[in-house]
Amino acid sequence: EDKVVQSPLSLVVHEGDTVTLNCSYEVTNFRSLLWYKQEKKAPTFLFMLTSSGIEKKSGRLSSILDKKELFSILNITATQTGDSAVYLCAVEGSNDYKLSFGAGTTVTVRA
Amino acid sequence: AAGVIQSPRHLIKEKRETATLKCYPIPRHDTVYWYQQGPGQDPQFLISFYEKMQSDKGSIPDRFSAQQFSDYHSELNMSSLELGDSALYFCASSFKGTSPYNEQFFGPGTRLTVL
Repeated sequence: EDKVVQSPLSLVVHEGDTVTLNCSYEVTNFRSLLWYKQEKKAPTFLFMLTSSGIEKKSGRLSSILDKKELFSILNITATQTGDSAVYLCAVEGSNDYKLSFGAGTTVTVRA
Repeated sequence: AAGVIQSPRHLIKEKRETATLKCYPIPRHDTVYWYQQGPGQDPQFLISFYEKMQSDKGSIPDRFSAQQFSDYHSELNMSSLELGDSALYFCASSFKGTSPYNEQFFGPGTRLTVL
C-alpha cells in the first residue's frame, strides 16, 4: 500500500519567515507527487512533480523532488498570514491514478 | 475558469437513510475521483471513473456505490448511513487524454452529517 509521511505535523511562524515542509513516500511504480493547500475548503492544487532535481516555482512557493531518496520539500519564503493552511502532499502510482495523501502539515503564520 | 461543481454543499441525514452526492467535473475532463475526509483526517480515496467506467476502487464501503454518466457527471450513492459516514466528500476531476500526468482539481466538497 502506498505510504506518504509529512513532517512536521504543524508549525507556527511569524510573517516574513521561511518554512520548509517535508514529504517522504513509498509508492509502487511512482508516477507523480503533488502538493495541495487546504484552507477550510477543498484542496487547491499547487505543484505536480515528476522529475528529480527540477525545482518548480510559483511566487513565494517552490518545490523539488528527489526520486532517489523518495522525498519532496515545499518551501514558502516571506510567509504571510494568508499562507496559513494545511499543506497536503499526495503521490500517484502508475498502476492507477488515485492519490494517496499524507496527513498534512498545518502551517500557522502569525502577524 | 470553470471548476468542479458538487451538490449539495451540505446534507444532513438520519442513521439508516440514503444520500446521493453529485459531482460535475471540469468541462472536457474525462476522469472523476471521490474522496472522503473525516474530521482532522487526510482525504481517503474511495473510487474513480474514467470514460464512464470504474477505473479504481479504494476504501469504499459496500454500502456505497457510484457511477459516471454519459455527460461525465458522477453520483455517489450512500445507503444505510452510519454516524461514522459523517465527513466531507470531495470530488476531483482530471483529463487523462494521452498524457501520463494529470493534476486532479478538487470541488468544494459536500459536508455530510449523519445524526
